[in-house]
Amino acid sequence: QQQVKQSPQSLIVQKGGISIINCAYENTAFDYFPWYQQFPGKGPALLIAIRPDVSEKKEGRFTISFNKSAKQFSLHIMDSQPGDSATYFCAAPRDTGRRALTFGSGTRLQVQP
Amino acid sequence: AAGVIQSPRHLIKEKRETATLKCYPIPRHDTVYWYQQGPGQDPQFLISFYEKMQSDKGSIPDRFSAQQFSDYHSELNMSSLELGDSALYFCASSLQGADTQYFGPGTRLTVL
Repeated sequence: QQQVKQSPQSLIVQKGGISIINCAYENTAFDYFPWYQQFPGKGPALLIAIRPDVSEKKEGRFTISFNKSAKQFSLHIMDSQPGDSATYFCAAPRDTGRRALTFGSGTRLQVQP
Repeated sequence: AAGVIQSPRHLIKEKRETATLKCYPIPRHDTVYWYQQGPGQDPQFLISFYEKMQSDKGSIPDRFSAQQFSDYHSELNMSSLELGDSALYFCASSLQGADTQYFGPGTRLTVL
């Protein structure tokens, strides 16, 4: 059972557009929500992360929006580029007090030139 | 900056054989995590270590074992390999208590 539910499964965006990926979680005790980017055959790379005490965090073209009451968080990629084409995973601690991660099912993003 | 090192990068084994995967964490990182990622799947947590002690256990089969050594590197030992063990195996490292995990490039295991 996926503890973090991610959507959509795949996403096609035009160059310069905004890519939005959503995740929902169940455990209100979760205190850390990272997003990872993964290229085929490579290891996941941390993109950006947020804690529940803030509602938004921005790093360059990447923004996390966090809605604690709805138990949802989303990744926004502004000015999407073909080089952003990858699979994106949201994640959370696998259990309260645990640091190992449980991942969403992933979103395959394709940015068309 | 130094990253997590995994070896070998590719490994081909026959069914029922054994395999050993190695992970060298980022210098000064004392915590190691192992994840398994099947084709088109998300990474699944297997096991983690801190200061040579197992700190958490996930969905690791009984056929697998792992350990962490005094220099913090870790090895994942896999026995009686099955076709379903074919996957990417990632090691991630962090500082104890820190949230950020840095993933290695992975070992692609193919069981024939």
